[in-house]
Amino acid sequence: DVKVTQSSRYLVKRTGEKVFLECVQDMDHENMFWYRQDPGLGLRLIYFSYDVKMKEKGDIPEGYSVSREKKERFSLILESASTNQTSMYLCASSTGPYTEAFFGQGTRLTVV
Amino acid sequence: AQTVTQSQPEMSVQEAETVTLSCTYDTSESDYYLFWYKQPPSRQMILVIRQEAYKQQNATENRFSVNFQKAAKSFSLKISDSQLGDAAMYFCAYRSPSNSGYALNFGKGTSLLVTP
Repeated sequence: DVKVTQSSRYLVKRTGEKVFLECVQDMDHENMFWYRQDPGLGLRLIYFSYDVKMKEKGDIPEGYSVSREKKERFSLILESASTNQTSMYLCASSTGPYTEAFFGQGTRLTVV
Repeated sequence: AQTVTQSQPEMSVQEAETVTLSCTYDTSESDYYLFWYKQPPSRQMILVIRQEAYKQQNATENRFSVNFQKAAKSFSLKISDSQLGDAAMYFCAYRSPSNSGYALNFGKGTSLLVTP
């Protein structure tokens, strides 16, 4: 019954490493999102994509990039990981504006 | 950008009692959608309830209901007959049909504790 799958539940990386967070959905949704969740700050939108190869910046895109080569897969890339990117990352997908957005289980990333 | 405010970082309720979580939002649009999501310790975000702005009738889903006050830009969640399994973070979210991709704007969340 899994709908949105994130490749890792926990990840530990070193400062300066290039980090890939992968997300796959099996619902043929056009829209996919990456959020960052921090205590006391809620969920903040990093990037989203509304079609293959199409992407738009969210509220906090600095230090991140994304890739969407196939409809079902949306990757978040940290070009050079820094300690202030230690956080929980949530991927989501949806179709229309009233439809439910489905979320992955989250990746807790620690940068040391 | 639309902002969503949840003024209660933490709330507590006894089992079987009723609790109301507050949410206000700021928008100049007339057509939009509002959601409440629940995030238990498992971290899985679960949709609790949703409301279309053009519908005056408040949405209900079993023990969960909302009080939607469009003029006041308020969207509170009422949980009746609270259960231990209701303990979670609750996030209020706003979505505009005019935004590409239909991204959700979330509040900072309310942590709900349910005591026996």
